[in-house]
Amino acid sequence: GQQVMQIPQYQHVQEGEDFTTYCNSSTTLSNIQWYKQRPGGHPVFLIQLVKSGEVKKQKRLTFQFGEAKKNSSLHITATQTTDVGTYFCAGSSGSRLTFGEGTQLTVNP
Amino acid sequence: DSGVTQTPKHLITATGQRVTLRCSPRSGDLSVYWYQQSLDQGLQFLIHYYNGEERAKGNILERFSAQQFPDLHSELNLSSLELGDSALYFCASNPRGPDEKLFFGSGTQLSVL
Repeated sequence: GQQVMQIPQYQHVQEGEDFTTYCNSSTTLSNIQWYKQRPGGHPVFLIQLVKSGEVKKQKRLTFQFGEAKKNSSLHITATQTTDVGTYFCAGSSGSRLTFGEGTQLTVNP
Repeated sequence: DSGVTQTPKHLITATGQRVTLRCSPRSGDLSVYWYQQSLDQGLQFLIHYYNGEERAKGNILERFSAQQFPDLHSELNLSSLELGDSALYFCASNPRGPDEKLFFGSGTQLSVL
């Protein structure tokens, strides 16, 4: 079945440092979605990428979808304490949405 | 507020018992999804219903079952509970299917003692 792997599992940064999490699928995806889950909260949708090679930005967050539509990344520039949480990628094959294991980000002020 | 309502928020029960988790999707959403999240773990897909019909099944144990009713709310039934079933159970909804973004409820924290 479809597998979505995400690395790293944990990332600790100093405030102001950059952060990147990577997502790889075992199969070609129709789209990839990214979610953020704050501690004690529920996942909240951030963005969806559909096209091969697509790049989208949301303020300090940059999302990329690979040319083969099997991998993706989320990069945060100059992290802030408000960025703390777990970031999940989720790959859609059309029939189901499979989540990666998530990257738990902690930011030291 | 995502518009997805889950009840109860917390549930404490004993091994061997049976519980029912309830989910009301956003108004107008026909698809309901159930996910299980164990401590510091990812989101394990359990099952997807669309307009009352099962559309996809993930790693759902035989002791677990779900259904979606005509009013589109959904229930997840967990029986013969084991300690390892302790987890956060999320319901999510969207208008049609997995190609669209999901709106998650606040979850039900299940503790099996």
